[in-house]
Amino acid sequence: GDSVTQMEGPVTLSEEAFLTINCTYTATGYPSLFWYVQYPGEGLQLLLKATKADDKGSNKGFEATYRKETTSFHLEKGSVQVSDSAVYFCALGGGSNYKLTFGKGTLLTVNP
Amino acid sequence: NAGVTQTPKFQVLKTGQSMTLQCAQDMNHNSMYWYRQDPGMGLRLIYYSASEGTTDKGEVPNGYNVSRLNKREFSLRLESAAPSQTSVYFCASSEFGEEQYFGPGTRLTVT
Repeated sequence: GDSVTQMEGPVTLSEEAFLTINCTYTATGYPSLFWYVQYPGEGLQLLLKATKADDKGSNKGFEATYRKETTSFHLEKGSVQVSDSAVYFCALGGGSNYKLTFGKGTLLTVNP
Repeated sequence: NAGVTQTPKFQVLKTGQSMTLQCAQDMNHNSMYWYRQDPGMGLRLIYYSASEGTTDKGEVPNGYNVSRLNKREFSLRLESAAPSQTSVYFCASSEFGEEQYFGPGTRLTVT
């Protein structure tokens, strides 16, 4: 079945550091890929998505590229801020599959 | 647009009590979902409704029932609450396989 593996946290960075959160997937067919962010005490919000191979999703300075050859969708940001502290979830799904499969989440803490 | 709304925000139950979690969306989405989130477990799908009039089990359906009341509303019922059902519950909606939009969650404690 479909599965998502993302790097275990927690990840602690200083402000303005470079961020990478790794995400790899196993899926049949051609899924869409998503990154969601969850701020403390809130629900999940869609951060970015990519619907086909080589697509790059981007939002709020975050980027991720859909790499079919390595089955990966790593999240990157060039310079993190304290306000980026949150839990980040990688997910796959879309198309005729109504369900999303989530990774277990990565807690990011950014210190001033 | 309120998006996805959930009630209540917090609830404390005693073992064996029942309750219904309510969810409504105003985005005219066809598909709706119920998840639970536990520390270290990520999100697990309890039930989903691909379209009005259909419901299907997800990964962890035991101890829960759902009702798709109409296109807007999807409720989750705990008939006899157990401490293992202490969790944060999220409702979500989507348009046929596109990205899902989440509500703010219900924090449930069963003592």
